[in-house]
Amino acid sequence: KAGVTQTPRYLIKTRGQQVTLSCSPISGHRSVSWYQQTPGQGLQFLFEYFSETQRNKGNFPGRFSGRQFSNSRSEMNVSTLELGDSALYLCASLDPSGNYEQYFGPGTRLTVT
Amino acid sequence: GNSVTQMEGPVTLSEEAFLTINCTYTATGYPSLFWYVQYPGEGLQLLLKATKADDKGSNKGFEATYRKETTSFHLEKGSVQVSDSAVYFCALSDEGGTYKYIFGTGTRLKVLA
Repeated sequence: KAGVTQTPRYLIKTRGQQVTLSCSPISGHRSVSWYQQTPGQGLQFLFEYFSETQRNKGNFPGRFSGRQFSNSRSEMNVSTLELGDSALYLCASLDPSGNYEQYFGPGTRLTVT
Repeated sequence: GNSVTQMEGPVTLSEEAFLTINCTYTATGYPSLFWYVQYPGEGLQLLLKATKADDKGSNKGFEATYRKETTSFHLEKGSVQVSDSAVYFCALSDEGGTYKYIFGTGTRLKVLA
């Protein structure tokens, strides 16, 4: 089975721009979560989607949004980028068997200049 | 709220040394507990997990036991290798069906030949 894929792997944007990141979960996995990883804050939960609905949300401003498509692929969008948004954004898909196991993609490294 | 506390790194060991990375948690109820490993430039990989008190998770020579009485889930390995050099994250699954992980800050391990 193919793993979680994320595109692009690296991205450089300018402050004020907006960005869209993509995640394709493992086949059969319907839940996708997004995390932000920074040296200062560590790993922080952004949101989780299940069957095209946002099921959970972390404590991030409204500039961070996401969506999920009928094929379970997910995108997250960050508008009006700030320097502090520079981070590794990780996507994870949840094993549907109920064992709480999440499988992470390689991440998208976003640099805001 | 729920939280995870990990020992600060970096931890530097010689090859074949014994490894312990401490992890304690605060949680209501009975979360599942996980250890993830992150190699340079990669996403997180599930290393092992435990879903209830006294469970022992194990994988690739690593072990951790879910200790409810001490709210701990310490990671151990009897003989580390250079290839074990990575960052290790302790995590718990948040409750109430949120499928949200709470991560520790990570512990960097460096193994010297």
